[in-house]
Amino acid sequence: ETGVTQSPTHLIKTRGQQVTLRCSSQSGHNTVSWYQQALGQGPQFIFQYYREEENGRGNFPPRFSGLQFPNYSSELNVNALELDDSALYLCASSAGQQAYEQYFGPGTRLTVT
Amino acid sequence: AQRVTQPEKLLSVFKGAPVELKCNYSYSGSPELFWYVQYSRQRLQLLLRHISRESIKGFTADLNKGETSFHLKKPFAQEEDSAMYYCALSPNRDDKIIFGKGTRLHILP
Repeated sequence: ETGVTQSPTHLIKTRGQQVTLRCSSQSGHNTVSWYQQALGQGPQFIFQYYREEENGRGNFPPRFSGLQFPNYSSELNVNALELDDSALYLCASSAGQQAYEQYFGPGTRLTVT
Repeated sequence: AQRVTQPEKLLSVFKGAPVELKCNYSYSGSPELFWYVQYSRQRLQLLLRHISRESIKGFTADLNKGETSFHLKKPFAQEEDSAMYYCALSPNRDDKIIFGKGTRLHILP
């Protein structure tokens, strides 16, 4: 059984660009949640995907979008990057929609210059 | 508004001393409460949840609905307890988790 993996580990983008972050869920998990963790803050919920459908969304603008694939891996896309988008992006997978069952990945560190 | 407040950014405690990490929440319903921990160079992981009423690594947390608190306690701190601790709640026990800003626990030798 493999854990949650995320790629890339870190990347640097310029303001206005677009970025795609990837997450492979733990074996047997069909739900993926994405969080943004700014420096010195706790993780903040972006959205969740359950069986390829968006299943809840936090207070993030539409330029944050996602996908979940048939193998339950997921992508987070951010358009028109802003400096405040610089953060650690965490992916968490679970076997169902119950929050406590979420297992977190190591995160992707995004820096926007 | 749904909110989790951890008033201490940093808590330093001597080894063997009692530990209490404070957490207060704001939510009108009956949320599920958690404590997550992140050790150095490791990923965020669940430490305990109020429903299970377990003691994990010597830590316990009691939900006080009157004071809307969920403080994390351990009677005798160990050096390996040094980590970042996040209190969190899940409204309706599904989908999103709302995290506090975290408290860094530093155990002094």
